[in-house]
Amino acid sequence: QVQLQQWGAGLLKPSETLSLTCAVYGGSVKGYYWSWIRQSPGKGLEWVGEINHIGATNYTPSLKSRVSMSVDTTKNQLSLRLTSVTAADTAVYYCARQLGRGLFSDYWGQGTLVTVSS
Amino acid sequence: EIVLTQSPGTLSLSPGERATLSCGASQSVSNNYLAWYQQKAGRAPRLLIFGASSRATGIPDRFIGRGSGTDFTLTINGLEPEDFAVYFCQQYAGSPRTFGQGTKVEIK
Repeated sequence: QVQLQQWGAGLLKPSETLSLTCAVYGGSVKGYYWSWIRQSPGKGLEWVGEINHIGATNYTPSLKSRVSMSVDTTKNQLSLRLTSVTAADTAVYYCARQLGRGLFSDYWGQGTLVTVSS
Repeated sequence: EIVLTQSPGTLSLSPGERATLSCGASQSVSNNYLAWYQQKAGRAPRLLIFGASSRATGIPDRFIGRGSGTDFTLTINGLEPEDFAVYFCQQYAGSPRTFGQGTKVEIK
């Protein structure tokens, strides 16, 4: 059974960098795409982007200038970085597995609430 | 970007009743690349349906997805107590992937 466990700082100040990690258990990061999706009361569910095990990425246009994703195949982990955060970036962030580039997400992490506040 | 609009916003039903949820797309969703998810409070979304009508592993057959083009529905036949939740549709035909705003199915 695939499980995704995620962690990272939950409280940031404006202009800081959001950094989250997602560990994959019960399966390999290889052979799949991995996405980050965020959810806020104001904007609902928002797809942030995706990455595969060789580092091919696809980011949502509105965040492209601030977001980066990476995969560590030796640790079976993926990471999300979002720079220059503002209050609008406050959300629950999820990592999720996709069976392929651009597909739906079949396994999700538990979510990490990130709050941006001065 | 493809905008998905779900209706109704809230559905108040009793256990055993049928729920019909709608998801409309601002442009045609090619290959019927539409998924449905269920989300309970404080939990991550759970995949129910992909490809508009294919049930994910372990999903009971009371969940039925239909539709094509711009109009999709999720029907839940015989609501069980555990089915009361929020349901989202997602299109993965275009980039960026987008989600509907959700339909809450609540106990009447």
